[in-house]
Amino acid sequence: GAVVSQHPSRVICKSGTSVKIECRSLDFQATTMFWYRQFPKQSLMLMATSNEGSKATYEQGVEKDKFLINHASLTLSTLTVTSAHPEDSSFYICSAIGVGQGAYGYTFGSGTRLTVV
Amino acid sequence: GQNIDQPTEMTATEGAIVQINCTYQTSGFNGLFWYQQHAGEAPTFLSYNVLDGLEEKGRFSSFLSRSKGYSYLLLKELQMKDSASYLCAVPDSGAGSYQLTFGKGTKLSVIP
Repeated sequence: GAVVSQHPSRVICKSGTSVKIECRSLDFQATTMFWYRQFPKQSLMLMATSNEGSKATYEQGVEKDKFLINHASLTLSTLTVTSAHPEDSSFYICSAIGVGQGAYGYTFGSGTRLTVV
Repeated sequence: GQNIDQPTEMTATEGAIVQINCTYQTSGFNGLFWYQQHAGEAPTFLSYNVLDGLEEKGRFSSFLSRSKGYSYLLLKELQMKDSASYLCAVPDSGAGSYQLTFGKGTKLSVIP
């Protein structure tokens, strides 16, 4: 089946630094990538939606200058957390839909646990 | 917008049956998903219902009533490994939009 590879699985960074998270679709073309954030004991909250070759659409309350999303190719999307702070510590998950996957054929990455110290 | 409600926590005994309910309010309807999520992992797909009725898939079944805005996930012959959060989710109803809105999740604890 469809696979989305997400890296890194865990990252610890110092406050003020930037962290890049990658999601690659391995066997399909991801036309749309969704980025979620999940705080402990809470559900997935959509941060932004990106379509290949277009600017991402951010949800209300998500700072686009802080969470930079790039979806330059049909197989790669990245989320960069800039100037990270401890409150950005969370579980970040990507989800892709794409060519041949059906309208609602969401494939999730394995998630990235970000800890900002 | 979308509004999804499901119980926060449930506890059930190994070997038993448990039903996890989900009610939703949407401006349109494009089906309903159930996902399983173990702590620290990404959600895994369980079911997608778009028509009314019960769909059975092994130990897991999912039911949908569109007129009532209601769904449930039925887990039979519970195993310890079924301890996880179960997320109800609905796609956005806007044209060309495929965003998923998740409920807060139901944390299921299976006890011996």
